[in-house]
Amino acid sequence: DTGVSQNPRHKITKRGQNVTFRCDPISEHNRLYWYRQTLGQGPEFLTYFQNEAQLEKSRLLSDRFSAERPKGSFSTLEIQRTEQGDSAMYLCASSPSLISGNTIYFGEGSWLTVV
Amino acid sequence: AQTVTQSQPEMSVQEAETVTLSCTYDTSESDYYLFWYKQPPSRQMILVIRQEAYKQQNATENRFSVNFQKAAKSFSLKISDSQLGDAAMYFCAYRTTWGGSQGNLIFGKGTKLSVKP
Repeated sequence: DTGVSQNPRHKITKRGQNVTFRCDPISEHNRLYWYRQTLGQGPEFLTYFQNEAQLEKSRLLSDRFSAERPKGSFSTLEIQRTEQGDSAMYLCASSPSLISGNTIYFGEGSWLTVV
Repeated sequence: AQTVTQSQPEMSVQEAETVTLSCTYDTSESDYYLFWYKQPPSRQMILVIRQEAYKQQNATENRFSVNFQKAAKSFSLKISDSQLGDAAMYFCAYRTTWGGSQGNLIFGKGTKLSVKP
């Protein structure tokens, strides 16, 4: 069990550029989640997948954000035309097929700074 | 919509002493899950303890225990025999058991715990 892996861990980008984050969940976890966390706040839910199906998206996920999990394994989160307000840590998490109460395991996060 | 409130932005405890972190939540549901997560400076969120709402018995994990008051919608975390490694941000979180939002953890803003040697 290698845990949830995210990369890159840090990304600095200029406003207007596109960025992509990758998440590798714990193997055999078929649920995968993305959260966003800004300084001084708790994580906020963005979206989650059951295998390759994206089952829920938060209203926080604007049109500039897209998440995929093409083969039900790793996932990518792309932010197009980045804005300074996108600066945050993007957390990925995974869990086994949801039986209510299953623990959700988090990665170390990917820090995004938009300058 | 469910909300989670942590009213203590920062707390401090002496090593080996006991500290209690507060959490209240708002929901109209009768069945749900509550969690305490710890986020050390390395930033990886780690589950500390979990409570099922239908269980009246308070959850306990070694030095960590909760006081779950369902009617009052209160879920506090008690850390006994505090250790330097307990210093971290602590987040209280809620998760429904119903519908498409089952995967959605709702977090409070967190409490920063400092442990003094």
